Amino acid sequence: SQQGEEDPQALSIQEGENATMNCSYKTSINNLQWYRQNSGRGLVHLILIRSNEREKHSGRLRVTLDTSKKSSSLLITASRAADTASYFCATAVYTDKLIFGTGTRLQVFP
Amino acid sequence: DTGVSQDPRHKITKRGQNVTFRCDPISEHNRLYWYRQTLGQGPEFLTYFQNEAQLEKSRLLSDRFSAERPKGSFSTLEIQRTEQGDSAMYLCASSQKTGDYTEAFFGQGTRLTVV
Repeated sequence: SQQGEEDPQALSIQEGENATMNCSYKTSINNLQWYRQNSGRGLVHLILIRSNEREKHSGRLRVTLDTSKKSSSLLITASRAADTASYFCATAVYTDKLIFGTGTRLQVFP
Repeated sequence: DTGVSQDPRHKITKRGQNVTFRCDPISEHNRLYWYRQTLGQGPEFLTYFQNEAQLEKSRLLSDRFSAERPKGSFSTLEIQRTEQGDSAMYLCASSQKTGDYTEAFFGQGTRLTVV
């Protein structure tokens, strides 16, 4: 079963714009991770944020975590056509198994 | 090492047949996971191994499904008496636990179509 939902389900933007995706989850977590999936490369790990962290940056990615609201957001700045993919949040609770959300399909137009 | 590899990449089978998939993890990784992903959904956890021990199984893993990891290296996932509802992408991932964080590396998956 899915841990939570992602919003929006689909997002279309122009190159250079920022893209924001949100993820909500249901249970207490140890950490939350974001993955990207496209047909060419499969699922690729992007960034992890621990439950005691509120914000994390990696290159053009910024992730926030609000454990009181059980939600996270992923911001991709200055998007590129190559960012076109599906993005999933995944939570880890007490074991290392990942519980994925339903995903956001991002389309970046040149 | 080129990452996690899965074989075959695609499998079409008739309902009622048995199928077996193979996953070769990154060589130094001691943990191996199987997930299933249907169209438009996120991956769903099926089971995971630490070395050769199967430590957790999802309720999704009915008695028609069996996974093994002999000698703690490659793993196989077998589905017996396949049903149309088994059609999905089967993903394998591996990781090496370091500290409190484990990054999982995923293979390209095996797409199963049951006709």
